[in-house]
Amino acid sequence: AQTVTQSQPEMSVQEAETVTLSCTYDTSESNYYLFWYKQPPSRQMILVIRQEAYKQQNATENRFSVNFQKAAKSFSLKISDSQLGDTAMYFCAFMEYGNKLVFGAGTILRVKS
Amino acid sequence: EAGVAQSPRYKIIEKRQSVAFWCNPISGHATLYWYQQILGQGPKLLIQFQNNGVVDDSQLPKDRFSAERLKGVDSTLKIQPAKLEDSAVYLCASSQAPRADTQYFGPGTRLTVL
Repeated sequence: AQTVTQSQPEMSVQEAETVTLSCTYDTSESNYYLFWYKQPPSRQMILVIRQEAYKQQNATENRFSVNFQKAAKSFSLKISDSQLGDTAMYFCAFMEYGNKLVFGAGTILRVKS
Repeated sequence: EAGVAQSPRYKIIEKRQSVAFWCNPISGHATLYWYQQILGQGPKLLIQFQNNGVVDDSQLPKDRFSAERLKGVDSTLKIQPAKLEDSAVYLCASSQAPRADTQYFGPGTRLTVL
């Protein structure tokens, strides 16, 4: 079965600084998708960034970027210039083609002023 | 574009009572998912619909949970009778294509079973 591991239960960062959230996954497939979702205290799960495994280039969305290491099965999220609104639970998720979305346990990120 | 709508946002019931949650997906999205998110954990898929047909309900406790998606648009998830361990957030999500596309989530319903 596919598994997603987020080894950091909680992280803190000062406003305007950079933070990296870790994620590793286990699969024997070569084609799949990886996602980072953000869940603020309001509970709305919001897509932050998406990566397709066949793409060599790391995905970027404004202040959010990923470091995708396919051989190491690692998919970390970097948040630059952290803002108070980035405070949330962040979930790493994995999906093989034609299969279901599997989530990690999440990392609570607190941005401090 | 309107997002995924869910109601109610909160529900408190006694154990052994029944409860129902409603979800309306993004317009045009053929695939609808129900997830259970227990406090401190990631969401777990309960059931997936493609239009009005069930694609995957392997993790749905069918002795007490049921779901339907009549007419292939909105959906209802029911629990009868509820147990204490059913306390969780129930998330609905939708996507344009089944499992090969990004899922968009609703705000969720927080269920507390006393």
